[in-house]
Amino acid sequence: GAGVSQSPSNKVTEKGKDVELRCDPISGHTALYWYRQSLGQGLEFLIYFQGNSAPDKSGLPSDRFSAERTGGSVSTLTIQRTQQEDSAVYLCASSPTWGGANVLTFGAGSRLTVL
Amino acid sequence: GENVEQHPSTLSVQEGDSAVIKCTYSDSASNYFPWYKQELGKRPQLIIDIRSNVGEKKDQRIAVTLNKTAKHFSLHITETQPEDSAVYFCAAISGSARQLTFGSGTQLTVLP
Repeated sequence: GAGVSQSPSNKVTEKGKDVELRCDPISGHTALYWYRQSLGQGLEFLIYFQGNSAPDKSGLPSDRFSAERTGGSVSTLTIQRTQQEDSAVYLCASSPTWGGANVLTFGAGSRLTVL
Repeated sequence: GENVEQHPSTLSVQEGDSAVIKCTYSDSASNYFPWYKQELGKRPQLIIDIRSNVGEKKDQRIAVTLNKTAKHFSLHITETQPEDSAVYFCAAISGSARQLTFGSGTQLTVLP
């Protein structure tokens, strides 16, 4: 597609429920990133996918968070047993390469509110 | 890993004045330094970037300078306009790393 698409744009859930957030990167982009942005805060790295390589999961805050990328394209970020501190905007970005030359294009984000 | 510090966290300037935002990084192997602008409620968008083989880059009213020895880089916006009001993020990445490390952001407000 023309840009990075994320869905849903807004999600309100109850504490303890599971949520899935979807990211559809720019066609042909091999690198895909998930970042989290809490209200008024910076961009916190969560996970990175590059082609068929093993993902870099070093930023995931707990084992309640997981992500997968099917067929090297669409990615799903899953948060199990959501907590109020999980409330944030989850941003997906894609890039045509990795390493020193990666220019990230961000999606509009999925705003998650855990009640 | 890489650590990026950004200052100031908030900055207010009068329309027409210049604004400067500074970032420092810890990994001397970092070689790519982008700046992103995030308007309220919107996604971050790349506005300018610089690679370690140059010391300065300009694009109309914005410029970025890089001092590799001191490990810091700065964003300069001249002749500021109200539409420049946004949160600006710096970032850094080294050749061995696989993801950008972002600064904590600067809320720039341009007062009319």
